[in-house]
Amino acid sequence: EPEVTQTPSHQVTQMGQEVILRCVPISNHLYFYWYRQILGQKVEFLVSFYNNEISEKSEIFDDQFSVERPDGSNFTLKIRSTKLEDSAMYFCASIGPYNSPLHFGNGTRLTVT
Amino acid sequence: KNEVEQSPQNLTAQEGEFITINCSYSVGISALHWLQQHPGGGIVSLFMLSSGKKKHGRLIATINIQEKHSSLHITASHPRDSAVYICAVLRGAQKLVFGQGTRLTINP
Repeated sequence: EPEVTQTPSHQVTQMGQEVILRCVPISNHLYFYWYRQILGQKVEFLVSFYNNEISEKSEIFDDQFSVERPDGSNFTLKIRSTKLEDSAMYFCASIGPYNSPLHFGNGTRLTVT
Repeated sequence: KNEVEQSPQNLTAQEGEFITINCSYSVGISALHWLQQHPGGGIVSLFMLSSGKKKHGRLIATINIQEKHSSLHITASHPRDSAVYICAVLRGAQKLVFGQGTRLTINP
């Protein structure tokens, strides 16, 4: 069965550094998402992406965050200047047409020190 | 107040028991998802509902749009069902709002 793949599985970075989290959604999917889950808390919506542009974003998704689909397969989340509070598990997800199920990647655990 | 509330937060049961997890929401939705999060952190979609009832194996999900309530049932529960079960509602076309999850532990 096709999968959403995320890399790396774990990233450690220093405060103030830029990080790029990578995702390869399922190939025929149309909608792409990033979510995050701070340890011990619920999953939170960050951003949705459709037709090569952001379709919706949460209040968490401020100017420090950006998303791109640079080459038609990868879907990236960039955090420009990481803060300690950005430490979380970041999940990518994608969905196909006609109300098909959401498919999640296994997540990238980001640790900001 | 959270837009999506799940109950109970924690549930421990014996193998074979019938399990019910509840989800109430306070906003208009276009669909509701039930998700399973494994101890390693991975998330799997179990159901997407916009009305009525769906069944997959030992899992049954129901939704009552008028009452803004959904339930997830597990029949003949098994230790491998132990996970966090998350209700998430789709607001508009794109935005998922998540409940806090129900941690289910099934003892052998």
